[in-house]
Amino acid sequence: SQTIHQWPATLVQPVGSPLSLECTVEGTSNPNLYWYRQAAGRGLQLLFYSVGIGQISSEVPQNLSASRPQDRQFILSSKKLLLSDSGFYLCAWSVQGGAGVGYTFGSGTRLTVV
Amino acid sequence: GENVEQHPSTLSVQEGDSAVIKCTYSDSASNYFPWYKQELGKRPQLIIDIRSNVGEKKDQRIAVTLNKTAKHFSLHITETQPEDSAVYFCAARDSGTYKYIFGTGTRLKVLA
Repeated sequence: SQTIHQWPATLVQPVGSPLSLECTVEGTSNPNLYWYRQAAGRGLQLLFYSVGIGQISSEVPQNLSASRPQDRQFILSSKKLLLSDSGFYLCAWSVQGGAGVGYTFGSGTRLTVV
Repeated sequence: GENVEQHPSTLSVQEGDSAVIKCTYSDSASNYFPWYKQELGKRPQLIIDIRSNVGEKKDQRIAVTLNKTAKHFSLHITETQPEDSAVYFCAARDSGTYKYIFGTGTRLKVLA
């Protein structure tokens, strides 16, 4: 069966520091991968999605970037964090080709920028 | 691209009553509509989904209905229990991409 791993679970970082969040998927090949951010009490904002290695689409202009160095690995990064980057970051995967299987989310990373 | 609207934003019901959450979508070619439940501090979890070739789907106390002509779909929870309290998100799959467009969420409170 497929599983998605995301770490760390919580992170407190100072303003101006770098960020690296990692997500990996097991049990499937060539998945679609996604990064979402959820502000406290708010909805799910799609940040990036990827349909293959090195293929990244950005949904909103921001202080973050994403990379997909391997088929089942998706990384969210920032060179210098802002206070507004605080939030709950969720990675998700779906079957390639959009076969109608819903997203499965990772357990999330709660980032607090201080 | 797809746009999804969700109502209401908050909903309070007495335990044992029914709850209904409604969503509308804009892309007539969308063919897949999942619903997610998110408990406080946790990840959204898929609870039920429906494809465009089906009008209704049930799973115990939850059901989803789809009206393709009107481009709206609804989540129905019967005999609500306190553990149903959570935020519920609807979503629609954009026909032009592999993205799922989410509604803004409904915070459901079941009062004991």
